[in-house]
Amino acid sequence: GENVEQHPSTLSVQEGDSAVIKCTYSDSASNYFPWYKQELGKRPQLIIDIRSNVGEKKDQRIAVTLNKTAKHFSLHITETQPEDSAVYFCAAGFQKLVFGTGTRLLVSP
Amino acid sequence: DTEVTQTPKHLVMGMTNKKSLKCEQHMGHRAMYWYKQKAKKPPELMFVYSYEKLSINESVPSRFSPECPNSSLLNLHLHALQPEDSALYLCASRRTSGVLANTGELFFGEGSRLTVL
Repeated sequence: GENVEQHPSTLSVQEGDSAVIKCTYSDSASNYFPWYKQELGKRPQLIIDIRSNVGEKKDQRIAVTLNKTAKHFSLHITETQPEDSAVYFCAAGFQKLVFGTGTRLLVSP
Repeated sequence: DTEVTQTPKHLVMGMTNKKSLKCEQHMGHRAMYWYKQKAKKPPELMFVYSYEKLSINESVPSRFSPECPNSSLLNLHLHALQPEDSALYLCASRRTSGVLANTGELFFGEGSRLTVL
């Protein structure tokens, strides 16, 4: 089955800096790679996703890249703001979505 | 309506109790999911229903019993749970028809926070 690894587990940045979170997956059949943001006590919220036929996708300050050959994908957040502080999960799969272990992002003013 | 609604939001039960978690969506999604999330951990898949049929059971103990009575409802029946089953239980649905049917996006409910005493 699918196995998703995520790094780093914690990431502290200053406001305005960029943040990068990386994930690797094991199942070459996975074709959907979303990123979720989860604030304390709340549900995971989809922030961006990418499908296996696309190498990069951008939405304002957030971008995701996918390298199918290496089986890894990354989340890039530019111009970070304190409200970006949360736990971020990557995931891979399609009908069965497997989540990475999460990254706690702390953006200091 | 683009919401997945879960009830109750909070549930406290003893190890001998029988209770149920409920999930409802009216988006016409025919794939529905139960995930379990412990504190500071990622959501873990428990069950997947596709067109009201159980398609994936991730070797979940039988004290958890899912049910999908119709295309809008998903239940999780709980019986003889253990304290380690205390967690946030998340329901989700996925679009299965239309031009965006193959997006894979999950729509999560707010979750039911379960405490087993």
